[in-house]
Amino acid sequence: DAGVIQSPRHEVTEMGQEVTLRCKPISGHDYLFWYRQTMMRGLELLIYFNNNVPIDDSGMPEDRFSAKMPNASFSTLKIQPSEPRDSAVYFCASSGQGKLPLHFGNGTRLTVT
Amino acid sequence: KNEVEQSPQNLTAQEGEFITINCSYSVGISALHWLQQHPGGGIVSLFMLSSGKKKHGRLIATINIQEKHSSLHITASHPRDSAVYICAVSARGTYKYIFGTGTRLKVLA
Repeated sequence: DAGVIQSPRHEVTEMGQEVTLRCKPISGHDYLFWYRQTMMRGLELLIYFNNNVPIDDSGMPEDRFSAKMPNASFSTLKIQPSEPRDSAVYFCASSGQGKLPLHFGNGTRLTVT
Repeated sequence: KNEVEQSPQNLTAQEGEFITINCSYSVGISALHWLQQHPGGGIVSLFMLSSGKKKHGRLIATINIQEKHSSLHITASHPRDSAVYICAVSARGTYKYIFGTGTRLKVLA
């Protein structure tokens, strides 16, 4: 099992640019979560999906953030336009049939200059 | 007050020492999780507990549901144990994790 795969591992972009982060969950997992980790706030849940449907997006900081899951094997988190305060590590995690624990990817380190 | 509190925030130990990291929580939970994060690395789930005690190699995790408290112990610590250890709880009835702020452990050779 390849685990949760995130890409890219590192992203450096300029303020105002669009950023797209990608995630491939473990095959067969029906829950997918996006988290953000910063020094100040630790890990925060942004949004989660069940069977490709967004269930709770209350953690999405503002309209500049959007997430999609077009099929069971792929999800994107998009930031448009990006700002320096979006700099963080973004983690994707998945679980099967609602069973814990979650399986985390290696994260994408985003730097917005 | 955070719903999940960890202590200490930072810990430096000498190789071979016995290490304890504590976690207290204030919400009803379905399970408590201990996670490990190496610098620049991903997050690995070490334990999921709903009662009692679990052991994996040199790592032991305990939970006291009545006291809403858990501990993670590392026996015979080694420099490769250096990482951030994060306590998280899954609140009853949800799949959301509530995270502690983490304990940064450094084990010196």
